[in-house]
Formats: sequence, C-alpha cells, structure tokens
Amino acid sequence: DVKVTQSSRYLVKRTGEKVFLECVQDMDHENMFWYRQDPGLGLRLIYFSYDVKMKEKGDIPEGYSVSREKKERFSLILESASTNQTSMYLCASALGYGYTFGSGTRLTVV
Amino acid sequence: DQQVKQNSPSLSVQEGRISILNCDYTNSMFDYFLWYKKYPAEGPTFLISISSIKDKNEDGRFTVFLNKSAKHLSLHIVPSQPGDSAVYFCAARATGTASKLTFGTGTRLQVTL
Repeated sequence: DVKVTQSSRYLVKRTGEKVFLECVQDMDHENMFWYRQDPGLGLRLIYFSYDVKMKEKGDIPEGYSVSREKKERFSLILESASTNQTSMYLCASALGYGYTFGSGTRLTVV
Repeated sequence: DQQVKQNSPSLSVQEGRISILNCDYTNSMFDYFLWYKKYPAEGPTFLISISSIKDKNEDGRFTVFLNKSAKHLSLHIVPSQPGDSAVYFCAARATGTASKLTFGTGTRLQVTL
C-alpha cells in the first residue's frame, strides 16, 4: 500500500513565523498535492506538483509556496503565518486518479 | 467559486436504511467523478468513481449515479451501517487536467442504531 506521511499531526505557530509542512510518499508517484480542509468549504487545492522541481498553483495559493527537490517529498511553506491559515492541511500522492492522502496536519496560528 | 457543491452539510440515517448523498457541479468539462470518505483524524480514502460516459456504477453496498444533463451525481449506500458514519466528499476531474481533482464541501453522514 502507498503510504503518505505528514511530519506533524498538530502544530501551533505564532503569527509571522515561517512554517514548513512536510510530506513524504513511498511509491514513486509523480503527482503530489497540498489541500486545506475547512468547515463548509471542503478540500481546497493550494499547490500541486507533477514532477521534481515542477509546481503549479491551485485554487488558493496566496500566502503559500512549495518545494519539491526530490520525487518523494513535497513541502508546503507558509512564508509568514497568519491566523486565517489555521486549518487542517492534507497532502496527497497520486497515480492517475488514485489519490492517497496523509493523515493531515492540524495547524493553529496564534 | 465552488465548482463542486454538496448542499447538505449533514445527514442522519437509521442503520439498515438507504443513505443518499448528493453532489452538484457547474463545470461542463468535468469527465470523471469520485467519492471519498473521511474519518476524523484520518485522510480521505477513495470509495467509488464513475466516468462521464456512464450513468451508474455499483460496488457492493455503494452505487453512484450520474445525471449529466442536470450536472448532478449521487451516492447511495444500502444498507447503511454505523461504520459508514464519516464525512463524504465528491470530487471531479476536468478533461485535460490529468490528476488534478476539485473537491466538494463535504457531507457528514451519521448512521444511528
């Protein structure tokens, strides 16, 4: 089974901090995604990557950036955390339409 | 601009009865649809899918129906079980966008005894 591991289950950060969320997959998938989940808004795509060093903006990229230096690792970066970035962050790896999600990181920005 | 909408935030159904979860979409370029199930503190997991060339797909207790003219799909769970209690997301892929999925807002299903 494909495993997608997100480095932290819970994080609390201060406003203005630079935050790194890490995601690692173990099945050599080319496609990786970052979503955030908010009540009433569902899952919204922040950024995705089809290959190493390639990235594309999703629907809500403002305030975020990403890094994909190795195929198995896709990092989400909050350049200067704000309270409206408090959310559940979900990473996914995909082969075709077969998404495998990590367990999520619940980020609270205070 | 929500291209995939699930208008019922929550649904409560008795064990053994049918659960019907609905999803509407606006983008006519969507050609593949999926349902995902999410338990608390876990990532969503794939449940069932349907291509736009079909109007029904069945997998055990789960059936997805697609009405392209109405831009509407539904997930039927028969019979509903307590373990089905979760949040359900529908998702859609647009032609030419490879693996990128657009997810709906989610419906929380509670199956009661």
